[in-house]
Amino acid sequence: DARVTQTPRHKVTEMGQEVTMRCQPILGHNTVFWYRQTMMQGLELLAYFRNRAPLDDSGMPKDRFSAEMPDATLATLKIQPSEPRDSAVYFCASGFGDDRDHGYTFGSGTRLTVV
Amino acid sequence: AQSVTQPDIHITVSEGASLELRCNYSYGATPYLFWYVQSPGQGLQLLLKYFSGDTLVQGIKGFEAEFKRSQSSFNLRKPSVHWSDAAEYFCAVGAGRDDKIIFGKGTRLHILP
Repeated sequence: DARVTQTPRHKVTEMGQEVTMRCQPILGHNTVFWYRQTMMQGLELLAYFRNRAPLDDSGMPKDRFSAEMPDATLATLKIQPSEPRDSAVYFCASGFGDDRDHGYTFGSGTRLTVV
Repeated sequence: AQSVTQPDIHITVSEGASLELRCNYSYGATPYLFWYVQSPGQGLQLLLKYFSGDTLVQGIKGFEAEFKRSQSSFNLRKPSVHWSDAAEYFCAVGAGRDDKIIFGKGTRLHILP
């Protein structure tokens, strides 16, 4: 089965450090989402891309978060500087974004702990 | 903007009993609706989706969901649950085929032996 690959699976970092999370979408998928999951807020949409172009990043704190797709096989989510409140599981999902398959496939997530 | 409400944070049922998880959505037009399941420490897996057509949708693992426009609901059902169904279930809505997907807060399902 094709998979969305996220790295690293776990990350512990100190407050103020830069964190970069990576996502390899399924080959051929043209839509990529970044979600953050916490106990309090549930699944929050941070940003999403179609054909590598950002469509909506309104859910992302702009002062410290940035999301990019340098190429079709890689999406990155960067936090600089990181804060303890950023501790969460970050999920990437990919799909076709049209009627071929609108059910997006999720990666296993990156569990981030900022101390 | 679209939104999703899952009224039940926790649901407990006995193994072999039937299950219904509730989901209400808010959106002006016909939404795209999904149910996902998340096992502990795992990502989300798509159970089923509704775009149009038959309002009763069959999914994987024996689940089904019914779209009721008049009630703005998309409840998930299973006639007989198994211990392996214990997980968190998320309902989600998209405003259109090109739009983002918004998730509900989730319902955690517990199974009694």
